Amino acid sequence: DAGITQSPRYKITETGRQVTLMCHQTWSHSYMFWYRQDLGHGLRLIYYSAAADITDKGEVPDGYVVSRSKTENFPLTLESATRSQTSVYFCASNPNLGQGKEETQYFGPGTRLLVL
Amino acid sequence: RKEVEQDPGPFNVPEGATVAFNCTYSNSASQSFFWYRQDCRKEPKLLMSVYSSGNEDGRFTAQLNRASQYISLLIRDSKLSDSATYLCVVNRASGTYKYIFGTGTRLKVLA
Repeated sequence: DAGITQSPRYKITETGRQVTLMCHQTWSHSYMFWYRQDLGHGLRLIYYSAAADITDKGEVPDGYVVSRSKTENFPLTLESATRSQTSVYFCASNPNLGQGKEETQYFGPGTRLLVL
Repeated sequence: RKEVEQDPGPFNVPEGATVAFNCTYSNSASQSFFWYRQDCRKEPKLLMSVYSSGNEDGRFTAQLNRASQYISLLIRDSKLSDSATYLCVVNRASGTYKYIFGTGTRLKVLA
């Protein structure tokens, strides 16, 4: 049971380059999320998706693009990387946004991105 | 003021001790509350949801105080393996994606 995976796990890039972070889940969860985690901040939502072809901006979407052509994949693209996008990126999924256990967010292992 | 606030710690406690963390939230309309655990350089994992009546899971007890707008986590008989960062998470409105994460409270259980 692979669950939710992210690739690459580590990435070093240069400012101005385009970078795509991949997220794949095997549970067929409807909801998927991208967060970034930085010192001094809690996890902050970048983008969210309720289903294939349905995405919405979160708290910090500037400089990022997402797509969701298939339920299981939710790639995050940095169109032109900046140093301020150096962070740890977590993908997450929920089976549903109902009550109780259905609200559990399952996180991928994270991608550590360094922008030079 | 942050919407969800936690004492960053670290809380250094000996094995077997009882330790409690609080987390305050500012949005009185918040509906759902959770504690997540995050080990160093790993992903967050759900520890427990927090229900209005309070709930217990083994050595862990979570409480919600809506009047004072805080949730708490109590860990009894601390183990070395409890060393981690504990994240408070609040959902602004149940059934939405608006989860707000605290910055976490770091716990170190000492032998």
